[in-house]
Amino acid sequence: GQNIDQPTEMTATEGAIVQINCTYQTSGFNGLFWYQQHAGEAPTFLSYNVLDGLEEKGRFSSFLSRSKGYSYLLLKELQMKDSASYLCAVSGYSTLTFGKGTMLLVSP
Amino acid sequence: DADVTQTPRNRITKTGKRIMLECSQTKGHDRMYWYRQDPGLGLRLIYYSFDVKDINKGEISDGYSVSRQAQAKFSLSLESAIPNQTALYFCATSDFDRVGGYTFGSGTRLTVV
Repeated sequence: GQNIDQPTEMTATEGAIVQINCTYQTSGFNGLFWYQQHAGEAPTFLSYNVLDGLEEKGRFSSFLSRSKGYSYLLLKELQMKDSASYLCAVSGYSTLTFGKGTMLLVSP
Repeated sequence: DADVTQTPRNRITKTGKRIMLECSQTKGHDRMYWYRQDPGLGLRLIYYSFDVKDINKGEISDGYSVSRQAQAKFSLSLESAIPNQTALYFCATSDFDRVGGYTFGSGTRLTVV
């Protein structure tokens, strides 16, 4: 089975940097995904890591350590529109298992 | 048109009624999934299908059934709806040969009264 933990809520200020952590325990691992989800909307793909290290895409970066079962999503230069839920998801043998999501509130 | 279309977008139904949620996709993906999302519980997998002849139960399949009518269509049925099936339901598709994870539909908000 899969067990995925991430903080329930985080707050940050516009223009700042925030790091959202995710730890996982899995019986199979084929990669880790991060999704963004605004309230009432569908999740949208942000990043994918399958090898250890940092993947950078604009203001967003994601890091993976497979030996530690750990990932983080780093958001830089926060904007108000970044207020959303961020979902960590682990790809197992055949499907994605999602964490419960981290609600990020960005304040002015 | 959206790549993954779910109908209806919103539905209110009574306890004991049968209801079908429909999902169609133009992505050409073989893999399709149904998830439900509840506050504080995240997305949980109900059923998934890797091709027309393949149906698999997910984490929370009790009370649900599915039908894969074609590569592009995957329907979820609640045979006898109950209030604790009130949730936001998402259909998703994937092509695991390419990085990109799932493509989600816009969701169906179902309320069982």
